[in-house]
Amino acid sequence: GENVEQHPSTLSVQEGDSAVIKCTYSDSASNYFPWYKQELGKGSQLIIDIRSNVGEKKDQRIAVTLNKTAKHFSLHITETQPEDSAVYFCAAGRGGSQGNLIFGKGTKLSVKP
Amino acid sequence: DGGITQSPKYLFRKEGQNVTLSCEQNLNHDAMYWYRQDPGQGLRLIYYSQIVNDFQKGDIAEGYSVSREKKESFPLTVTSAQKNPTAFYLCASSGGASLTSTDTQYFGPGTRLTVL
Repeated sequence: GENVEQHPSTLSVQEGDSAVIKCTYSDSASNYFPWYKQELGKGSQLIIDIRSNVGEKKDQRIAVTLNKTAKHFSLHITETQPEDSAVYFCAAGRGGSQGNLIFGKGTKLSVKP
Repeated sequence: DGGITQSPKYLFRKEGQNVTLSCEQNLNHDAMYWYRQDPGQGLRLIYYSQIVNDFQKGDIAEGYSVSREKKESFPLTVTSAQKNPTAFYLCASSGGASLTSTDTQYFGPGTRLTVL
């Protein structure tokens, strides 16, 4: 089955710097890769996702890149702000009716003002 | 407003008692999911349902039960057979009118269950 590894487990950056979180997956059949942000006391919110037919996707300060050959994908946050501080989870799964996702263990991002 | 609601936010249970966590969605999604989150671990799938009156076990279904009598509702029961039930439980749903949206899972705010 699918196995997702996420690194680093904790990340601390200065406000304005960039943050990068990386995930690797094992199942070459996985074709859907979402990223979720979890803030204290809240559920997980989808912030960006990418499908296997593209290599990069951007949404304002957030971008995700996918390398299918190497089976890894990364989350990039530019110009970080204190409100970006949260736990971020990556996930990998197959599309279609099942929609099962396997999640990484999370990265706690701290943005220092 | 459209979305997923979970109740209660915090729940305390005595050892040996069953407890049911509520999850409701008004997004007209076909699929619903229950995940468990423990410190230092990713989300693990407990049960999922792709359609009303049907559900499948996830990776850690032992000690849990679910029902899907209505499209909008997917309650999770944590039974006394669950050895270590203290955790944060997240419900999610997916599957709108567009095929490309079927993968995206939207999460509720979660329920934190503590066994005393």
